Amino acid sequence: QQQVKQSPQSLIVQKGGISIINCAYENTAFDYFPWYQQFPGKGPALLIAIRPDVSEKKEGRFTISFNKSAKQFSLHIMDSQPGDSATYFCAASMVNTDKLIFGTGTRLQVFP
Amino acid sequence: GAVVSQHPSWVICKSGTSVKIECRSLDFQATTMFWYRQFPKQSLMLMATSNEGSKATYEQGVEKDKFLINHASLTLSTLTVTSAHPEDSSFYICSGSPFGGDTEAFFGQGTRLTVV
Repeated sequence: QQQVKQSPQSLIVQKGGISIINCAYENTAFDYFPWYQQFPGKGPALLIAIRPDVSEKKEGRFTISFNKSAKQFSLHIMDSQPGDSATYFCAASMVNTDKLIFGTGTRLQVFP
Repeated sequence: GAVVSQHPSWVICKSGTSVKIECRSLDFQATTMFWYRQFPKQSLMLMATSNEGSKATYEQGVEKDKFLINHASLTLSTLTVTSAHPEDSSFYICSGSPFGGDTEAFFGQGTRLTVV
């Protein structure tokens, strides 16, 4: 119930394409869903986050789509760039807690 | 955004020795900080929740006597790996949130520990 399942494990996209990463959860007590970007040897950095009261959130080239009934959320990276090549983690946390449960990660490679 | 500074960035130590990793919130106070462990090409695994002024809360399977956590002030939490062994080699990362609750967490840059 505490797990957050993430797919795919790795993703190769051509420059300018759309990268899509999916996550699913079971625990309906989760109410905060962030996406983190991590470069090798660095700590994760927040990209974008969403709460269950909205179905979509967009910030620049990054969009989160959220389907509360299906308990799924996804990250879309539009116009993918080589600089986007990194590992992406979805996460979830419950009401009134900072404790994040991370997905397994997706290694994205964007080729010119 | 808020800044969390972790030190050292990397450390090599001999088997049997202890290593201390510091995690500081530079521009906010954190009553709670988190320590994660990450193996190569794997996800972040929460080790423990560090609570200012009280004992840390460890996740199941994490040896509290091996991974000592101290949160002496609102801006500093430390993780000490005691009697380190090669299997403790990993990437350790801390995080904190200036607002508490289910809001943005800021991560340190991580510490690469290699035990030889």
